[in-house]
Amino acid sequence: KAGVTQTPRYLIKTRGQQVTLSCSPISGHRSVSWYQQTPGQGLQFLFEYFSETQRNKGNFPGRFSGRQFSNSRSEMNVSTLELGDSALYLCASSKTGTGRHEQYFGPGTRLTVT
Amino acid sequence: DQQVKQNSPSLSVQEGRISILNCDYTNSMFDYFLWYKKYPAEGPTFLISISSIKDKNEDGRFTVFLNKSAKHLSLHIVPSQPGDSAVYFCAASLMNRDDKIIFGKGTRLHILP
Repeated sequence: KAGVTQTPRYLIKTRGQQVTLSCSPISGHRSVSWYQQTPGQGLQFLFEYFSETQRNKGNFPGRFSGRQFSNSRSEMNVSTLELGDSALYLCASSKTGTGRHEQYFGPGTRLTVT
Repeated sequence: DQQVKQNSPSLSVQEGRISILNCDYTNSMFDYFLWYKKYPAEGPTFLISISSIKDKNEDGRFTVFLNKSAKHLSLHIVPSQPGDSAVYFCAASLMNRDDKIIFGKGTRLHILP
């Protein structure tokens, strides 16, 4: 079956702009989680959506937001971009959630803020 | 506050030998642990998991050991192969929570020829 897809794969933005990243989960998966990966901090949890509801949120400022659609596709938005937002953003899907079930990750979106 | 710690940023092991990757956690409520492997330019892939009711889980060349009293787990790879060169992430989840998982910062494993 098709894996998790993320678009775009690469993105360059300038400070102050906003960006929207997209994630299409594996068919049948209802949980989508987002992570930020940076060299110094590893994988940091952003938020998790299940059936269009955000169930949990990590310790990120309100500039980071997301949503999930009825077909389980998810988007995350970052407003007022800062240089420190440069990172690899990973999306992962699973059948029912992150804690007990293995997640399937997409290839990520590499965001560079200049 | 790093609840899941991988204190070795990198590790080099000779091909054919055993690779041991370590992970420590601080929250005693964690009851499920997972290891993921990540190659450059790809997303992490699930490797192996262990529930807190067990102290060992084995899958082929990969074995995860859990020491609850020490809040420590380790991943053993035997024998190590060149394709094992990657970043390995340890992760933990909380009892009765299915909406959040906490990752360590990762350990980069280099398998030397």
